[in-house]
Amino acid sequence: NAGVTQTPKFQVLKTGQSMTLQCAQDMNHNSMYWYRQDPGMGLRLIYYSASEGTTDKGEVPNGYNVSRLNKREFSLRLESAAPSQTSVYFCASSGNYRSSYEQYFGPGTRLTVT
Amino acid sequence: TQLLEQSPQFLSIQEGENLTVYCNSSSVFSSLQWYRQEPGEGPVLLVTVVTGGEVKKLKRLTFQFGDARKDSSLHITAAQTGDTGLYLCAGEEDKIIFGKGTRLHILP
Repeated sequence: NAGVTQTPKFQVLKTGQSMTLQCAQDMNHNSMYWYRQDPGMGLRLIYYSASEGTTDKGEVPNGYNVSRLNKREFSLRLESAAPSQTSVYFCASSGNYRSSYEQYFGPGTRLTVT
Repeated sequence: TQLLEQSPQFLSIQEGENLTVYCNSSSVFSSLQWYRQEPGEGPVLLVTVVTGGEVKKLKRLTFQFGDARKDSSLHITAAQTGDTGLYLCAGEEDKIIFGKGTRLHILP
């Protein structure tokens, strides 16, 4: 049981480049989330998917898109990276959006945009 | 806008001492979770409290949910260096929100 896995672990992009962060969970969870974590700002929700086939904006969605590929996988895409998107990105999953918010996090992706 | 305030922001104490950190809000939550995050890793769930006044113990860690379900505390007895990390609280209502965390450093 791997839990929540994320790839890549580290990435350096130039301004304007695009990339996709991958996330997969093997716990049969319905809900999946993407957060960014910045010093002094805590964890901020970018997008979430309450169930397969649905996605919704979180607190800071601008500059990002997501795809819930299937129940296991939830990807985050940066179409045109900006230095303000330098951050640590965490994917998380939880069992049922309405009844359980207990979240299981991946190890994170450290992204630097130059 | 729901907000979760955690205090203190930073705490550095000697091994063996006791400490309490707090998580406060003006909003009522249906449940509240505590997570610990170590450097370079994702947060790990420690506990969920659901009932007002509930107390849960996890070895030397004691978690309490306020009677009005607006606040929570985490008490660590006889802190150890392995307790070092960022402690996050998260409240659940129609969505989940995270506090900014308390960064705890236990000195040997």
